[in-house]
Amino acid sequence: QQQVRQSPQSLTVWEGETAILNCSYENSAFDYFPWYQQFPGEGPALLIAIRSVSDKKEDGRFTIFFNKREKKLSLHITDSQPGDSATYFCAASIPGYQNFYFGKGTSLTVIP
Amino acid sequence: DAGVTQTPRHEVAEKGQTIILKCEPVSGHNDLFWYRQTKIQGLELLSYFRSKSLMEDGGAFKDRFKAEMLNSSFSTLKIQPTEPKDSAVYLCASSTGQGGGTEVFFGKGTRLTVV
Repeated sequence: QQQVRQSPQSLTVWEGETAILNCSYENSAFDYFPWYQQFPGEGPALLIAIRSVSDKKEDGRFTIFFNKREKKLSLHITDSQPGDSATYFCAASIPGYQNFYFGKGTSLTVIP
Repeated sequence: DAGVTQTPRHEVAEKGQTIILKCEPVSGHNDLFWYRQTKIQGLELLSYFRSKSLMEDGGAFKDRFKAEMLNSSFSTLKIQPTEPKDSAVYLCASSTGQGGGTEVFFGKGTRLTVV
């Protein structure tokens, strides 16, 4: 049973556009939601994260929107750049428990 | 500051062989994770250690996969015997372990091909 789901599986946008990556989850106990970015040949790296007490988290061109009632969140990448081309993973964890549940990822391609 | 170091970066094994993958976590980190990554299944937890104690052992992987923490700065993942379906990227990760919601740092992974 997949606890964290991501859509779309792959996404292509033009340079300068806003990319929207979606994530939903099953467990109401999840309270921390990091997004990881992974380039080919590298391990995932933390990009941005949000806690369930917030509905929005911004860091430069990256913004997480969080809807606790619907158990959904999304990552918006504004002014997308070719260097943003990577796979993005949504993850979730339960309070006090360090292990994460990962989605299967969204592969983003930004065309110059 | 060194991140998580994994060796080797690539491994080719014949079916039935025993292979050992190695990981050095970030210095001072108490939590260590082993994940398997495939395009179909995504990231699957194999093992999770806290302060060298095994906290979680991915159920589906128990029979042929064994992770150990020999000391706080070194871990191994043994796959015995290997099967072609084990072909994947194996990621090691570590964190400070200060409660839920702390950043997890990943290594670059070991790409295993079983022929």
